[in-house]
Amino acid sequence: GDSVTQMEGPVTLSEEAFLTINCTYTATGYPSLFWYVQYPGEGLQLLLKATKADDKGSNKGFEATYRKETTSFHLEKGSVQVSDSAVYFCALSEGNSGGYQKVTFGTGTKLQVIP
Amino acid sequence: DTGVSQNPRHKITKRGQNVTFRCDPISEHNRLYWYRQTLGQGPEFLTYFQNEAQLEKSRLLSDRFSAERPKGSFSTLEIQRTEQGDSAMYLCASSLRTTGSSYEQYFGPGTRLTVT
Repeated sequence: GDSVTQMEGPVTLSEEAFLTINCTYTATGYPSLFWYVQYPGEGLQLLLKATKADDKGSNKGFEATYRKETTSFHLEKGSVQVSDSAVYFCALSEGNSGGYQKVTFGTGTKLQVIP
Repeated sequence: DTGVSQNPRHKITKRGQNVTFRCDPISEHNRLYWYRQTLGQGPEFLTYFQNEAQLEKSRLLSDRFSAERPKGSFSTLEIQRTEQGDSAMYLCASSLRTTGSSYEQYFGPGTRLTVT
């Protein structure tokens, strides 16, 4: 079945540091890939997405590239801020026989940015 | 539209009691999903509705769980005879099926259930 593996946290960085959160996936077909973010006390928010190989998703300074050859979708940001402190989930969505897109999530990576 | 809403946000119940949660999706969305998230884990799929029809249920959804979406708008998730293992965050998401869409799902804030 589909699965998503992402690096374990917590990840602690100083403000303005470079961020990478690794994510790899296993899927039977050609999934869409997502990064969701969950701020403390809030629901999951879609951060960015990519729907086919070599697509780059970007939002709020974050970016991730869909790498089919390495089955990866690593999240990066050049300069993190304290406000980026949250839990980040890598996820994939693939059509199935029911005609809908079930989302499979990784376990989440907690990011803490210190001033 | 303010997004997906869920009520209550928190529920504490004693083992053996029944609980019911409500989800109001984004108004034009025809697909609705329930997920469960335990501490330190990502959300796990429970069930899915297309309009009022429940089209798939996960093996995680035991017969103590029942979900409905009677008019294709809001949905309820009921857990009967709750057990401590049911303690989790229950998330609702909705999406709109359109041609060429990537079917991204929009999540509500969740209902945190604690079974004592």
